[in-house]
Amino acid sequence: QSALTQPASVSGSPGQSITISCTGTSSDVGGYNYVSWYQQHPGKAPKVMIYEVSNRPPGVANRFSGSKSGNTASLTISGLQAEDEADYYCSSYTYNNTVFGGGTKLTVL
Amino acid sequence: QVQLVESGGGVVQPGRSLRLSCVASGFTFNNYAMHWVRQAPGKGLEWVAAIWYDGSNKNYADSVKGRLSISRDNSKNTLYLQMNSLRVEDTAVYYCARDRGGYTGWFDPWGQGTLVTVSS
Repeated sequence: QSALTQPASVSGSPGQSITISCTGTSSDVGGYNYVSWYQQHPGKAPKVMIYEVSNRPPGVANRFSGSKSGNTASLTISGLQAEDEADYYCSSYTYNNTVFGGGTKLTVL
Repeated sequence: QVQLVESGGGVVQPGRSLRLSCVASGFTFNNYAMHWVRQAPGKGLEWVAAIWYDGSNKNYADSVKGRLSISRDNSKNTLYLQMNSLRVEDTAVYYCARDRGGYTGWFDPWGQGTLVTVSS
């Protein structure tokens, strides 16, 4: 149950777009279309932003989008806003388990 | 509204036990698989355990197998995590989460978390 690989940090200016990658294996990210992305502000519980690779739950801004190619999933945030500054975690289903990425700190400059 | 509320955290000595609870409201609890996820101070998220909607199937992370046990009481809309033989490295905020995807790891919502500190 090795963690998925995410960059430790990314940054962007307001209005710009950023992409966070999440690399796994054929046993998790590459094997299932069950990748989710979570946003976590300091001291708060995580909140789902994307589920099943590219689906947005109701209430999540369409500035957030997800995709997958092979063993790597990606979260793209367009039109960066100050409130997007947070930690972001990917997760993937793997047989009867769930594995998370190490997390990426997004800084809005 | 859909809500999960954890309780039972606290300070405990290594080797001792603790039981966490998670009370669900605002949805039909016995229709959903449930999970526990933890986060050590300043660290990332770690999946801990999952249980099917009817309690018939349970799965655990290797790091907790044999020491932590997940269960549920659908008559009380409550999820549990029995924590035995606690170690310093079990120190974390423990979150319960509903699986919206049927056991595919799409967690929504999450509870507010309960802090477990294992220290002598």
